Amino acid sequence: QSALTQPASVSGSPGQSITISCTGTSGDVGAYDYVSWYQQHPGKAPKLMIYDVSYRPSGVSNRFSGSKSGNTASLTISGLRAEDEADYYCKSHTTSNADVFGTGTTVTVL
Amino acid sequence: EVQLVESGGGLVQPGGSLRLSCAASGFTFSDHWMHWVRQAPGEGLVWVSRINNDGSITNYADSVKGRFTISRDNAKNTLFLQMNSLRVEDTAVYYCTRHLHDWGPGTLVTVSS
Repeated sequence: QSALTQPASVSGSPGQSITISCTGTSGDVGAYDYVSWYQQHPGKAPKLMIYDVSYRPSGVSNRFSGSKSGNTASLTISGLRAEDEADYYCKSHTTSNADVFGTGTTVTVL
Repeated sequence: EVQLVESGGGLVQPGGSLRLSCAASGFTFSDHWMHWVRQAPGEGLVWVSRINNDGSITNYADSVKGRFTISRDNAKNTLFLQMNSLRVEDTAVYYCTRHLHDWGPGTLVTVSS
């Protein structure tokens, strides 16, 4: 149950688009379309932003989008805003009947 | 509105036990898988355990297998996590989540002598 690999940090200017990668294996990301993405502000509980690779829960901005290719999933934030500054985590179900999170990415809005 | 409220956290010595509870409301509790996720101070999210809607299926992270037990009381809309043989590295905020979609605010468990 090794953590999925994410870049430690990604930054962008307001209005720009950024993409966060999440790399796993054929036993997790590559096995199912059960990848989710979470946003976490300091001291707060995580918030679901994307589920099942590319679906947005009600109330989540359409500036957030997800995709997957092979063993790598991606979260794209378009039209970057100051309030998007937070930590982001991917999550995948695994073939071992477990779930595994990514290492986390800190997004900085310049 | 979905509400999840964890309780039972606190300070415990290494080797000790603690039982976390999660009170659920705003949805049909007995219809959903429930999970526990933890986050050590300054660290990332780590999945701990999950249980199916009627409690007949449970899964655990390798790091807690044999020490932690997840359970639920559907009549009382409550999820539990029994934690035994606690280690310093179990220190974390523990979150209760409905299907890893909705999350409680978390409860802090500190394992220290």
